[in-house]
Amino acid sequence: SYELTQTLSASVALGQTATVTCGGDNIGSKKVHWYQQKPGQAPVMVIYRDTNRPSGIPERFSGSNSGNTATLTISRAQAGDEADYYCQVWDVKTVVFGGGTKLTVL
Amino acid sequence: QVQLVESGGGVVQPGRSLRLSCAASGFKFNSYAMHWVRQAPGKALEWVAVIWFNGSNVDYGDSVKGRFTISRDNSKNTLFLQMNSLRAEDTAVYYCARDGFGGSGSYYFTHWGQGTLVTVSS
Repeated sequence: SYELTQTLSASVALGQTATVTCGGDNIGSKKVHWYQQKPGQAPVMVIYRDTNRPSGIPERFSGSNSGNTATLTISRAQAGDEADYYCQVWDVKTVVFGGGTKLTVL
Repeated sequence: QVQLVESGGGVVQPGRSLRLSCAASGFKFNSYAMHWVRQAPGKALEWVAVIWFNGSNVDYGDSVKGRFTISRDNSKNTLFLQMNSLRAEDTAVYYCARDGFGGSGSYYFTHWGQGTLVTVSS
């Protein structure tokens, strides 16, 4: 079965750029979606189909996908961006989530 | 605006059954595929099941196949999850989620409910 690999944790200084990665075999051939989840809350979609932002998501959030790695980039990180981030793809009639990355804003 | 409200969670003994509901509003329910996604305490998200807009097709994650059944009542804008033969490892918050695309779905999740906690314990 298909697997998505995310680093357990990442950190970014306030105002700097955060990068969250999602690895998978030839993931560049799939559509990747990203979700933000704050403690005790439901997930919120922040990027869909690799690069698209839903309405209401700041332009500071962007995505890319190529080769074996998809990337979520958060520019000018704010304290409110501290959360768990999950990548997700659809593969052969099933949905696969990454293990999640806990982003800390310092 | 889109609202999804889950109900039916609680504490249940191993081997027993539970039925979750998700009341939908703010969008044309019968035009969208709907999903259940769960999250065990401190763990990652796990997809559980999908049902197409008209109920004509369903799919399940491997860990629940044969035990859980997803269904919908488009006349009542409600999604269901019938969970049988429950195990301790089914303990999780269960979210219903709307698909990002109409019809047979695109298998990503634009809107989520707040979730309902299911605890399987003797």
